[in-house]
Amino acid sequence: AQSVTQLDSQVPVFEEAPVELRCNYSSSVSVYLFWYVQYPNQGLQLLLKYLSGSTLVKGINGFEAEFNKSQTSFHLRKPSVHISDTAEYFCAVSRSNSGYALNFGKGTSLLVTP
Amino acid sequence: DSGVTQTPKHLITATGQRVTLRCSPRSGDLSVYWYQQSLDQGLQFLIQYYNGEERAKGNILERFSAQQFPDLHSELNLSSLELGDSALYFCASSVDGQALGTQYFGPGTRLLVL
Repeated sequence: AQSVTQLDSQVPVFEEAPVELRCNYSSSVSVYLFWYVQYPNQGLQLLLKYLSGSTLVKGINGFEAEFNKSQTSFHLRKPSVHISDTAEYFCAVSRSNSGYALNFGKGTSLLVTP
Repeated sequence: DSGVTQTPKHLITATGQRVTLRCSPRSGDLSVYWYQQSLDQGLQFLIQYYNGEERAKGNILERFSAQQFPDLHSELNLSSLELGDSALYFCASSVDGQALGTQYFGPGTRLLVL
């Protein structure tokens, strides 16, 4: 079975500061990794995904993530956050034998303050 | 706007009742996924359809069923509703139901069971 652990349920940060949202996964087979963002009262939007190749993945809105196979991690980073980045962030994994359905972590609430 | 539409936006009903949630995928997408988001369980995968056929099942209760029609829209039927079924139900679509195909999420249907 695969599971996704988002280590922080809430991350408060000041505007223009860097941020890292942590995600660890467990799986005995190859996985595909994703970060989604959910703004209040909206659906989920894909930030970035890792399927194969370069372990550093760049996404939208200045976010990036690094796939670390040895540590089974896929942490999300942004060098300088904006107030508008305040949202819920979800890490997810998928694999072929479940129709590539997304298995989500519990989410991390990012709160950016002035 | 992801291009995925869901109706209705909100639904209030009573325990024991039956409801139908509708999803229209993005133009050209063949695969539809249903997810449930609740405070208790987080985001959970329910079921996936590809071109009219069921492809994968997740944590879907026996009281719940779904189908995908020839025009590719999908419906999720929830019956014998319980208080615990109150949640946000998302539909997502992807072009081919594979890892390379990004899942685009609709805005969700918020179900409240009283």
